[in-house]
Amino acid sequence: LAKTTQPISMDSYEGQEVNITCSHNNIATNDYITWYQQFPSQGPRFIIQGYKTKVTNEVASLFIPADRKSSTLSLPRVSLSDTAVYYCLVGDPLGGGADGLTFGKGTHLIIQP
Amino acid sequence: NAGVTQTPKFQVLKTGQSMTLQCAQDMNHEYMSWYRQDPGMGLRLIHYSVGAGITDQGEVPNGYNVSRSTTEDFPLRLLSAAPSQTSVYFCASRRHAVGGTPPGTQYFGPGTRLTVL
Repeated sequence: LAKTTQPISMDSYEGQEVNITCSHNNIATNDYITWYQQFPSQGPRFIIQGYKTKVTNEVASLFIPADRKSSTLSLPRVSLSDTAVYYCLVGDPLGGGADGLTFGKGTHLIIQP
Repeated sequence: NAGVTQTPKFQVLKTGQSMTLQCAQDMNHEYMSWYRQDPGMGLRLIHYSVGAGITDQGEVPNGYNVSRSTTEDFPLRLLSAAPSQTSVYFCASRRHAVGGTPPGTQYFGPGTRLTVL
């Protein structure tokens, strides 16, 4: 199972772009990279997923370099409501077992006015 | 669709008591999982199931039992509650197939906040 490493916490200000990087040096060929967001007292919710290059949706962008050993979640023009914990998960969705089910401690993002 | 539902939302137990946390999903997902989350910690996997009749241990299985008799339900049992089991418990489900929503995406319930005195 690929292990992930991400910063424990980050601070930014409203209107800024925030980039959170996740390291996953032992990512396997069939692994996808998935990011979740968790607000206090709620379960995590899916933000974005990618396999390689760049993926963009209405909430965020995900940048994945060619070697796939890291990924960067980019949140454009953050607001106070983006204050949350962000988790990076790596796993094969068809891999069976606990693949893709393991969360790390995540990155606590705090947005200030 | 209701998605993933959990009951109860809150529970207080005394040490040694037993109880079952309920989890149900109406999305016909193969995978279901139980996590616990302690203050300042991420989610830690307790048990998971890849389908009815099949369960396996996660990172922190001690003190918990699970069973999966139907696709929809995945209850978590505490046989003899201990203060160390005070935590927020989340249930999640996901498909085990390609296609549709991004593969492997997990859907989480609202959580159960458990206090063991």
